[in-house]
Amino acid sequence: DQQVKQNSPSLSVQEGRISILNCDYTNSMFDYFLWYKKYPAEGPTFLISISSIKDKNEDGRFTVFLNKSAKHLSLHIVPSQPGDSAVYFCAAAPGSGGYQKVTFGIGTKLQVIP
Amino acid sequence: EPEVTQTPSHQVTQMGQEVILRCVPISNHLYFYWYRQILGQKVEFLVSFYNNEISEKSEIFDDQFSVERPDGSNFTLKIRSTKLEDSAMYFCASRNDRGQAFFGQGTRLTVV
Repeated sequence: DQQVKQNSPSLSVQEGRISILNCDYTNSMFDYFLWYKKYPAEGPTFLISISSIKDKNEDGRFTVFLNKSAKHLSLHIVPSQPGDSAVYFCAAAPGSGGYQKVTFGIGTKLQVIP
Repeated sequence: EPEVTQTPSHQVTQMGQEVILRCVPISNHLYFYWYRQILGQKVEFLVSFYNNEISEKSEIFDDQFSVERPDGSNFTLKIRSTKLEDSAMYFCASRNDRGQAFFGQGTRLTVV
């Protein structure tokens, strides 16, 4: 039962261009969303989050957009850099409270081509 | 910058043996988690822990698994009798009041 879906297993983008990673969710109880980046043999690294009361959150080159009615969120990376090449996980939780379980998608592998 | 640390980085064990994976969460965090990732598969939730007790656990977290916070700093995952299918990367995470979870580097468990 995939409550958090990342339908693109991989994405290739030219350096300097925009990377758009997409995520869909099915559980209407989710109202807090996170993106993580993961390099091989390392743990996931928190990138950015968004609460359902917002539709956009920006942090430097990273922007997350949330469309609650469509149960869809996306991560935009502008401009993309070779160091951004990693697996990106979308994650969701039924609240930002610390005790809430975070459910992960399967990940999208981003390759930024120099 | 504070970080979650996990030891060992790699553990090889024989099937049927007990293993203990250790984690030191970020010191002012109160919520702790174990996740695992089998090679090529998604990151799976195992268990969450708050106030010295389990808050939630997944179907994976059966009687062979247990967690403990034996002192004020360590958070351990014990697998009593390991199976081949327990081979995976195990990630510990701790979470702040803003809901951001921070992960350790992981322990690669190989059951032979």
